[in-house]
Amino acid sequence: DAKTTQPNSMESNEEEPVHLPCNHSTISGTDYIHWYRQLPSQGPEYVIHGLTSNVNNRMASLAIAEDRKSSTLILHRATLRDAAVYYCILLNRDDKIIFGKGTRLHILP
Amino acid sequence: DAGVTQSPTHLIKTRGQHVTLRCSPISGHKSVSWYQQVLGQGPQFIFQYYEKEERGRGNFPDRFSARQFPNYSSELNVNALLLGDSALYLCASTSTGSHEQYFGPGTRLTVT
Repeated sequence: DAKTTQPNSMESNEEEPVHLPCNHSTISGTDYIHWYRQLPSQGPEYVIHGLTSNVNNRMASLAIAEDRKSSTLILHRATLRDAAVYYCILLNRDDKIIFGKGTRLHILP
Repeated sequence: DAGVTQSPTHLIKTRGQHVTLRCSPISGHKSVSWYQQVLGQGPQFIFQYYEKEERGRGNFPDRFSARQFPNYSSELNVNALLLGDSALYLCASTSTGSHEQYFGPGTRLTVT
C-alpha cells in the first residue's frame, strides 16, 4: 500500500508558484522521499528526491519538514506543461516503487 | 542518448491469447522494472530484474512472467489474457546505486 497521502487534485494559475503537499507520517529513518510526475499519455518522469535536507534541481524544489512526516514539492513558476499527476513516494534504495493515486495538477492560463 | 524504449506501442489481443511485450533500458542500466497502469490509476509494480535475476514481484498472478537478457533488455509475458489485463504496461530502468527510475512510453494493450 502507498505510504503517503496527497490531495486528489489542485489548481494553480500559470506563471505562479505551486506547492504540492504530501503527508508521510509513518516514514522510517531510511526512507527517501521521491516525487515523480506523469504527463498525459506519457510514462512517469522523475522529478526530485531527498532524505532530510531541502533539495533543489532544475525542475523543482523539495521542502522536507523537520520531523520528516510531511514534504512539499514546489514548482517555482508553473507553466501549462506542468499539468500532470504528481506522485509522492517513499523509497529505500532498491525498493520497488509503490504509486498511490497522486495529485492531479491543473494549470489555468 | 536514447531513453527507455518499448515495443510495440499498441497491441490488440483477444481473451485467452498470449502476449509478449519488450523493453530496452537506457545504455548502462542493469535494472529493469515492469508496471501495469489501468486507466485512472497509478502504475502498479509487477516485476523487477537486476543482472538477469528477479529481484521483486508484485501481487500479480502466475500468468504474468518476465525475463531479462544478457544485454539487459527485458520481456514481459502474459498468458491466458483476460479483459482486465487491458492497460498501459510501463517499463523503467535504473542504473546501479541510483534513485532515479527512467520510464518508457509504455505499451497500450487492449484485450477484447
